[in-house]
Amino acid sequence: EAAVTQSPRNKVAVTGGKVTLSCNQTNNHNNMYWYRQDTGHGLRLIHYSYGAGSTEKGDIPDGYKASRPSQENFSLILELATPSQTSVYFCASGDGWGEDTQYFGPGTRLLVL
Amino acid sequence: GDQVEQSPSALSLHEGTGSALRCNFTTTMRAVQWFRKNSRGSLINLFYLASGTKENGRLKSAFDSKERYSTLHIRDAQLEDSGTYFCAAEGFLLSGSFNKLTFGAGTRLAVCP
Repeated sequence: EAAVTQSPRNKVAVTGGKVTLSCNQTNNHNNMYWYRQDTGHGLRLIHYSYGAGSTEKGDIPDGYKASRPSQENFSLILELATPSQTSVYFCASGDGWGEDTQYFGPGTRLLVL
Repeated sequence: GDQVEQSPSALSLHEGTGSALRCNFTTTMRAVQWFRKNSRGSLINLFYLASGTKENGRLKSAFDSKERYSTLHIRDAQLEDSGTYFCAAEGFLLSGSFNKLTFGAGTRLAVCP
């Protein structure tokens, strides 16, 4: 069974603080993705990665950094959190070949005060 | 950029009835995925289609790349089907293995007794 986990599941941060969201996958997938979900927007891609050491900008990368230190782990980093980054964040993995279903983590609720 | 228009935005069904959700795409897409966000906020994979139709229990999905749409049919709706449903379209790749998903805004389905 494909497994993508995220931590923390809930986070409250202060404006200007640093936030790190972590994602781990045991699917041995090459590709990993970070999305945020806001009402009326579906999910929007922030950053993605082709494999360890790789990070690429998605559609809305401003204010976010990403880190892929290993095949299994992909982090999303908010160096200076702002209230506009209050959202639900989803991580996903996919192998990038053929029928490339993306498998999603359970999501992280972030509130920036 | 690529856009996905999902309709309806909200839907209420009585148990045992059915309906269809639809996503229209502004450009030709390679494949589509359908997800359901459950009460805990997790995204559940429902279907991945590169063409044609797929059926799983009371759910059936169709994808027509040429006509730029996909549908998700629900029949004999049950209370546990309630949740938000998202379609996500996968564009054609120029190179590499990255399959970017563009999400619709979602359909909030409420199944009532």
